Amino acid sequence: IAGITQAPTSQILAAGRRMTLRCTQDMRHNAMYWYRQDLGLGLRLIHYSNTAGTTGKGEVPDGYSVSRANTDDFPLTLASAVPSQTSVYFCASSDSRDGSGEQFFGPGTRLTVL
Amino acid sequence: GQNIDQPTEMTATEGAIVQINCTYQTSGFNGLFWYQQHAGEAPTFLSYNVLDGLEEKGRFSSFLSRSKGYSYLLLKELQMKDSASYLCAVRDGDYKLSFGAGTTVTVRA
Repeated sequence: IAGITQAPTSQILAAGRRMTLRCTQDMRHNAMYWYRQDLGLGLRLIHYSNTAGTTGKGEVPDGYSVSRANTDDFPLTLASAVPSQTSVYFCASSDSRDGSGEQFFGPGTRLTVL
Repeated sequence: GQNIDQPTEMTATEGAIVQINCTYQTSGFNGLFWYQQHAGEAPTFLSYNVLDGLEEKGRFSSFLSRSKGYSYLLLKELQMKDSASYLCAVRDGDYKLSFGAGTTVTVRA
C-alpha cells in the first residue's frame, strides 16, 4: 500500500523518558518532514530532510532530533520528553523534483507527556 | 520567516459558496498551497498556486496575487462533507512550508 505510515498511533509518556516516533514512506520521495500540530497554532515544522543523509532544523527543533539513514525512514526522537511536547505529530514527504512538490502526510501520532 | 493569516472560523449553508482568505508576508516565495484537514485526520492536498491567477479544480478554486501577498480558496456548492479545517501554506525558497493556523468551516443543512 503506497503512502506514509507512522507509529505509534498514540502514546502516553512520562516526563524525562526517551521516545522515538517512526515514519516510513514507500513513494521514494526525496524529502521528508516532521511537524507538530497544536490547537490554535497550526502545523509547525520541527525538522526536515531534503535527501537521504541530510537533515535540517525547522521552526521548533529544540528537544527533538532526527536521522535519515535511507530514503524511506525518518524517525523523530525526543531525548527527554517534557509536557510541552504534548502534541499531534505528523510526518510528511514530497518529491520536490516533481511538479508542485505537494506534501503527503502520514496519519499522525498523538503524544501525551505527563 | 513567514507570517500567514487566515480567519479562524466560517459557517455556511449547504449548497452555498464560501471564500477563505489568506494573507502572507514571506522571506522568499516558492508557491502557495491549500490543504483540507478533517477532525482527527491528516491534512490532504487541495491546490497549488505559484503564478498569479485562478486555478480551478471542480468545486474548489484557488486564487493568488503575489504582489498583494494574498490568496483565497473558494468552495462552491458546499456539501456537509466539506466541514473541515482549511490550511493555507506558503513555501519558501528552501522548499519548506509554513502553515497558517487554519480556518474551520462548518456547513449547516
